[in-house]
Amino acid sequence: DVKVTQSSRYLVKRTGEKVFLECVQDMDHENMFWYRQDPGLGLRLIYFSYDVKMKEKGDIPEGYSVSREKKERFSLILESASTNQTSMYLCASSPPGFYGYTFGSGTRLTVV
Amino acid sequence: KQEVTQIPAALSVPEGENLVLNCSFTDSAIYNLQWFRQDPGKGLTSLLLIQSSQREQTSGRLNASLDKSSGRSTLYIAASQPGDSATYLCAVTTNQAGTALIFGKGTTLSVSS
Repeated sequence: DVKVTQSSRYLVKRTGEKVFLECVQDMDHENMFWYRQDPGLGLRLIYFSYDVKMKEKGDIPEGYSVSREKKERFSLILESASTNQTSMYLCASSPPGFYGYTFGSGTRLTVV
Repeated sequence: KQEVTQIPAALSVPEGENLVLNCSFTDSAIYNLQWFRQDPGKGLTSLLLIQSSQREQTSGRLNASLDKSSGRSTLYIAASQPGDSATYLCAVTTNQAGTALIFGKGTTLSVSS
């Protein structure tokens, strides 16, 4: 069964901490994505990547960075966590093209 | 900029009813439209994908239609069951953000027994 695995289901961090959210896929997919989901705002694209070491900004990249050193792993980094980054974070991957998206179960991050 | 809207935001129906969820998008230049299901606190599960050249897709009790020229899609759920209770999300792919999905805010469905 193909999978996108997000390392933590729940995470609590303090304001100002550097936070790493990890996402690993086992489908050899080229494309990987990070979204955040908030009540009333839906899913918003933070960053995406087409290939190793490549990244593109989505709609809301401010306060975030990403790293893709290996094809299977896409990390989201909060350089200095703030309370407005409290959210559900969802990772997804897909093969080339516009189909076959697989989502992880999400990481619920609380910044206190 | 492409925007996706889903109406209604929430819907409550008794078991056995047929129902329709609506999705609209502002730019008809889409590659495809997809419907997802999300259970509380969980990730997304793909339900149906309609290519831009297609009119509809069916899977079991689910039927999705697409009218690209008017920027609309509907998800029809027949004979609803309590297990259908979830949030349903509509998403499109365009050339706006690479291959990323652009989502609506979803419709939260509650089916009572």
